[in-house]
Amino acid sequence: DAGITQSPRHKVTETGTPVTLRCHQTENHRYMYWYRQDPGHGLRLIHYSYGVKDTDKGEVSDGYSVSRSKTEDFLLTLESATSSQTSVYFCAISGRVSVTNEQFFGPGTRLTVL
Amino acid sequence: KQEVTQIPAALSVPEGENLVLNCSFTDSAIYNLQWFRQDPGKGLTSLLLIQSSQREQTSGRLNASLDKSSGRSTLYIAASQPGDSATYLCAVRIQGAQKLVFGQGTRLTINP
Repeated sequence: DAGITQSPRHKVTETGTPVTLRCHQTENHRYMYWYRQDPGHGLRLIHYSYGVKDTDKGEVSDGYSVSRSKTEDFLLTLESATSSQTSVYFCAISGRVSVTNEQFFGPGTRLTVL
Repeated sequence: KQEVTQIPAALSVPEGENLVLNCSFTDSAIYNLQWFRQDPGKGLTSLLLIQSSQREQTSGRLNASLDKSSGRSTLYIAASQPGDSATYLCAVRIQGAQKLVFGQGTRLTINP
């Protein structure tokens, strides 16, 4: 267990509503990531953070924003949810062991947008 | 653009067999390669990480090898058990970047 929690674990929402997913770590890792996992596409990076207030886009960042105001928390916001954002979202962390930067994953959040 | 492929997509073997899962990648300029296990409805569990300068890593019944020049990695599972049933994913970290590029995974079933 790499000390990562995600909340909520399940959420059903309606198209057009804002949604915020939270990732919390207790391991003091520098990097935090948000991925989405979809059948046929595998895992794809949405955004990542390399420090407090330092973030960068991944390959599928459109429609998503992130914030990191504390080392331990990384928030993913869907400003106006769409059905194409129905997915399983995973948070990951890395960087405590700087040589390897091995990534560790949270349990996931299943989001359904109706 | 880095692409990662895992073949086969699914594999079913009887308990006790030794087996090999394959992962190939198109760009050899990688920083490291990580193997993960994912159980249904769960997150990913890191199994092994191989740095680009290494040839293999071992953990218990698992052995992962890396041939960067040919763009291939294998995960060897010895004496398979029903509890090994899961989807196995490989991912490469591109040099100079933090992102991992994932394969689609191999769904492994070990039959008692």
